[in-house]
Amino acid sequence: AQSVTQLDSQVPVFEEAPVELRCNYSSSVSVYLFWYVQYPNQGLQLLLKYLSGSTLVKGINGFEAEFNKSQTSFHLRKPSVHISDTAEYFCAVSDNGGGSEKLVFGKGTKLTVNP
Amino acid sequence: EPEVTQTPSHQVTQMGQEVILRCVPISNHLYFYWYRQILGQKVEFLVSFYNNEISEKSEIFDDQFSVERPDGSNFTLKIRSTKLEDSAMYFCASSLTSGRAGETQYFGPGTRLLVL
Repeated sequence: AQSVTQLDSQVPVFEEAPVELRCNYSSSVSVYLFWYVQYPNQGLQLLLKYLSGSTLVKGINGFEAEFNKSQTSFHLRKPSVHISDTAEYFCAVSDNGGGSEKLVFGKGTKLTVNP
Repeated sequence: EPEVTQTPSHQVTQMGQEVILRCVPISNHLYFYWYRQILGQKVEFLVSFYNNEISEKSEIFDDQFSVERPDGSNFTLKIRSTKLEDSAMYFCASSLTSGRAGETQYFGPGTRLLVL
């Protein structure tokens, strides 16, 4: 069975500071990896995903994530955050082996960007 | 940009009552999903639906749950006899092709269900 751990439930940062949101996963099969963002009163929006190839994935809004197979991690980073990045961020995995369609989510990290 | 919509945004019901949560997926998508998030817990997969039948379901999706695509645009989740523990945010999602291929699932804003 797959599982996702987001180590930080809340991350406060100041505007223009860098941020890293951590995600570790466990799976007995190869996985696809996703980061979603949820702004207040909105649905989950895809930030980026890793399917294969280059381990550094660039997404929308200046975010990027690096897939590290040996550490089973997919941490999300942004070099300089804005107030508008305040939201909840969810890491998710799905089965690369074709066995399942479902996404397995972490508990989410609330990012608060302060002026 | 096309988006998934859900109605109602909030629903309050009495324990034992039936509720129907509605979703309008993106128009050319073929795969549909329901997830839920109990307050403070993870977003959990409930069911996926393709070609007018359930393609995958979780152990949460027991006999009191059902899904339907009654027409060409709506996708519904019915809970026949609600329990207190069904209180959660319910998310609908859709994708162009199967999630098995790493296809992006597009999520709606959710329906917050409160069972009293």
